[in-house]
Amino acid sequence: AQTVTQSQPEMSVQEAETVTLSCTYDTSESDYYLFWYKQPPSRQMILVIRQEAYKQQNATENRFSVNFQKAAKSFSLKISDSQLGDAAMYFCAYRSYIRDSSYKLIFGSGTRLLVRP
Amino acid sequence: GAGVSQSPSNKVTEKGKDVELRCDPISGHTALYWYRQSLGQGLEFLIYFQGNSAPDKSGLPSDRFSAERTGGSVSTLTIQRTQQEDSAVYLCASSLVGRGGTGNQPQHFGDGTRLSIL
Repeated sequence: AQTVTQSQPEMSVQEAETVTLSCTYDTSESDYYLFWYKQPPSRQMILVIRQEAYKQQNATENRFSVNFQKAAKSFSLKISDSQLGDAAMYFCAYRSYIRDSSYKLIFGSGTRLLVRP
Repeated sequence: GAGVSQSPSNKVTEKGKDVELRCDPISGHTALYWYRQSLGQGLEFLIYFQGNSAPDKSGLPSDRFSAERTGGSVSTLTIQRTQQEDSAVYLCASSLVGRGGTGNQPQHFGDGTRLSIL
């Protein structure tokens, strides 16, 4: 079974600085997707970025980028020029196969990001 | 367009009562998921619907939990004889089904229902 581990319960960053959130996962699959979701106090899960395992190039979305190390099964999220609105819980997720081309997400336990003004 | 809608936003009930949680997915999304988020934890998969059928119920924690989906749209998660350990935020998500199934389709989440069992 696949597992996702986030070893940092909480991280803090100064506004305008850069922070990296860590995620490792375990799988025997060779092709898969990985995601980072943001959950502000409103509870809604917002997709931040996704990475396809067969793509060697790291995904980027504006100030958000990932460092995907397939061999090490590591998928970290880098937030550049941190803003107060980035403060939230961040969850790493792995796409896990169900059946018949259907998938579910397996989530890590989350990292709470605090942004200091 | 409208996102995933869940109701109620908050629910407080006494231990032993039954509760129903509702999810209205994005129009056109045939895949629907229920997750549970206990305090300070990540999301735990409960059940997946493709249309009105549920190919994967493996995450339902006990037979007190059931879910149905009608008309390929609205889904209801029912918890019978609630226990205090059922207290959590219940999140619903929906997605399209593309040529490759749901694998490359992002899941869109609702705001969840916070369930508190007294």
